[in-house]
Amino acid sequence: AQTVTQSQPEMSVQEAETVTLSCTYDTSESDYYLFWYKQPPSRQMILVIRQEAYKQQNATENRFSVNFQKAAKSFSLKISDSQLGDAAMYFCAYRVRGSQGNLIFGKGTKLSVKP
Amino acid sequence: NAGVTQTPKFQVLKTGQSMTLQCAQDMNHEYMSWYRQDPGMGLRLIHYSVGAGITDQGEVPNGYNVSRSTTEDFPLRLLSAAPSQTSVYFCASSSTESSYNSPLHFGNGTRLTVT
Repeated sequence: AQTVTQSQPEMSVQEAETVTLSCTYDTSESDYYLFWYKQPPSRQMILVIRQEAYKQQNATENRFSVNFQKAAKSFSLKISDSQLGDAAMYFCAYRVRGSQGNLIFGKGTKLSVKP
Repeated sequence: NAGVTQTPKFQVLKTGQSMTLQCAQDMNHEYMSWYRQDPGMGLRLIHYSVGAGITDQGEVPNGYNVSRSTTEDFPLRLLSAAPSQTSVYFCASSSTESSYNSPLHFGNGTRLTVT
C-alpha cells in the first residue's frame, strides 16, 4: 500500500528560528510528485511547495525549502525565519504519474510558533 | 476568482437523514475529488472523477455517492447519515493536462456533524 508517514504529530519553534518537518513515503513507483500543504486554523488548504521526483535540485519557495532524498524516500520541509503566521497543520502528500490525480496524504504535523 | 466553492460550510444531521454537499469549480478542471479529514487521520479520499460522466471510488467510499454530470459540479451525497460520518469534508480539483504535477485546489471545507 502506498503510504505517507509524518512521524512528528506536533512540533514547536521559536519565532525567527528554523524548524524541519519530516516526511517519509512508500511507493514502488519512480515517477511521482511530492507536495507540502499548510492548513491554518481557518481550515483552508494551501499549497506550500512541490517537488518532482526526477529533479535532484531541492525546491525552494521563499522561506520554505525541502530536503528530498529519493533513495531514502524522504521529503522534509524546512521553514526558515519562522513567523507567527506559520502556525498551522502541515500535510505531506504525493501523487504518482498515472494515478488518476489522487493524492496520498500523511496524517499531518501541527506546528506551533512561540513569540 | 472563485476557484472551488463548497456549500454549506457547516451542517448538523440526525442519524438516518440524507443530504448533498455541493462542490463547484470554475477553472475548467477535469479532475475533482472529495476527501474527508478526521483528527489524527489526515485526508482520505472518498470518491473522485476525471471528467463528466466518470467517477470512481477512493479509499473510504462506503456511505457516499457521487455523480458528475458537468465539468463544473461534483456533489457528494450521504444517503443515510451515520455518526461515523462526522468529519470535515473537502472538495478539490486539478487540471489533468499535466495531471501528476498539478496541485490540488481545495474548497474551504464543510464541517458535518451527525448526531
